[in-house]
Amino acid sequence: DAKTTQPPSMDCAEGRAANLPCNHSTISGNEYVYWYRQIHSQGPQYIIHGLKNNETNEMASLIITEDRKSSTLILPHATLRDTAVYYCIVRATVFSTSGTYKYIFGTGTRLKVLA
Amino acid sequence: GAVVSQHPSWVICKSGTSVKIECRSLDFQATTMFWYRQFPKQSLMLMATSNEGSKATYEQGVEKDKFLINHASLTLSTLTVTSAHPEDSSFYICSAASSGRAGDTQYFGPGTRLTVL
Repeated sequence: DAKTTQPPSMDCAEGRAANLPCNHSTISGNEYVYWYRQIHSQGPQYIIHGLKNNETNEMASLIITEDRKSSTLILPHATLRDTAVYYCIVRATVFSTSGTYKYIFGTGTRLKVLA
Repeated sequence: GAVVSQHPSWVICKSGTSVKIECRSLDFQATTMFWYRQFPKQSLMLMATSNEGSKATYEQGVEKDKFLINHASLTLSTLTVTSAHPEDSSFYICSAASSGRAGDTQYFGPGTRLTVL
């Protein structure tokens, strides 16, 4: 089962900041929080990830609470092209034989940016 | 950087035939590749994990004899759906990761839509 919960849908006005919350209350100390988005009929696109500290890149900012039980993805100036399903993933602690940790996807948040 | 391609992007086949889907990492070496399946209006479900030169590890409930995975090189993995049936119709997505270090990131391909008639 996914270790994250997200609201099923959100709307945001074009040009405004979109704040997408994610709860991961059972996260372990060595687990990262990853964010991806999936535009209809495409593969997921990597956005950002973090462990403890807040992170920022050219796409978004990631704010992780001090207790690490929740996080928020911020798209500072949403555009119509940001309309997508956003997935928050806690990288699983199940250590696969490949030596790489697996992702378990939840249901995500469907963000609709309105003109 | 970190580009992953899939081929074909869509395929239609008759029931009982086999279909091969390729996944390539174009600008990095992928020690591990993952295969996911996504049904309409649902989330991604991990099918299997493969390492270059090793047998794939399948998730519970995924038939390894039906979904054959080969990871022959650090830039190519293939998924073959054998004896496909209409219930295998789905969106198949691969991802690639460059190392086994903690915190490594998966980069996803654009997906392959399979329709079995």
